[in-house]
Amino acid sequence: AQKVTQAQTEISVVEKEDVTLDCVYETRDTTYYLFWYKQPPSGELVFLIRRNSFDEQNEISGRYSWNFQKSTSSFNFTITASQVVDSAVYFCALRAGGTSYGKLTFGQGTILTVHP
Amino acid sequence: EAQVTQNPRYLITVTGKKLTVTCSQNMNHEYMSWYRQDPGLGLRQIYYSMNVEVTDKGDVPEGYKVSRKEKRNFPLILESPSPNQTSLYFCASLGGKNTGELFFGEGSRLTVL
Repeated sequence: AQKVTQAQTEISVVEKEDVTLDCVYETRDTTYYLFWYKQPPSGELVFLIRRNSFDEQNEISGRYSWNFQKSTSSFNFTITASQVVDSAVYFCALRAGGTSYGKLTFGQGTILTVHP
Repeated sequence: EAQVTQNPRYLITVTGKKLTVTCSQNMNHEYMSWYRQDPGLGLRQIYYSMNVEVTDKGDVPEGYKVSRKEKRNFPLILESPSPNQTSLYFCASLGGKNTGELFFGEGSRLTVL
C-alpha cells in the first residue's frame, strides 16, 4: 500500500518569510509520480508540480522550489518570500506507475496562513 | 476550454434519498476518478476508471457506486446516502498513463441530513 504523510497540519508565517512544507511518502513501486497541489480558499485544486521517481532533479519555479530525495522518500516544497496570496491548503500526492497507475494517494494537507 | 464539470456543485439531501453527482470531461481522457475531501484527512480516492466499462475501487468505496458507459462521463451514485457521506467531492481526469497532471472539477459539496 502507498502512503503520503504531511507532518505539518498548519503553518503560520509572516509575509516575506520562507516556508517549507514537508512530504514523506511510502511505496513499493519503483516507478511512481509525486505531485503538489494548492487549494486556495475558493476551493479549487491547482496543480503545481509533478516529479517522476527516476528524476531527482530539484526544481525552481519563481518563488517555489521542490526538493525530491529518494533516499529519504521526501518531496518537500519551499516557498521563498511568502505572500498573503500563498495562503491555502497544500497537498502532496503519490501515484503509482505501471499497471497500478490508477491509484492516487494524497497527504492530509498542510494549511498555510501567511499574515501581512 | 479543457475542463472537468461536476453537477450539482452544492446539494443538501436527506438520509436514504438516492442521488447522483455527474462528472463530465471534454479532453477525451481515458482515466477518471472520484475523491472525497474531509478535514484532516486530505483527499481520499473513492473509485477510479481507466477506460470505458473499467472501474476499480479506491480507498473508500463503501456506500458509493460508479459507472463508465462512455469516455466523457463518470457519475458517482449514492444509493442510500448517510450523514457520514457529507463531504466535498472532486472528480478528476488524467490524460494518459504517464501524464502526471490530474484535471479536477470544481467540487461538489454534499450535505446529508
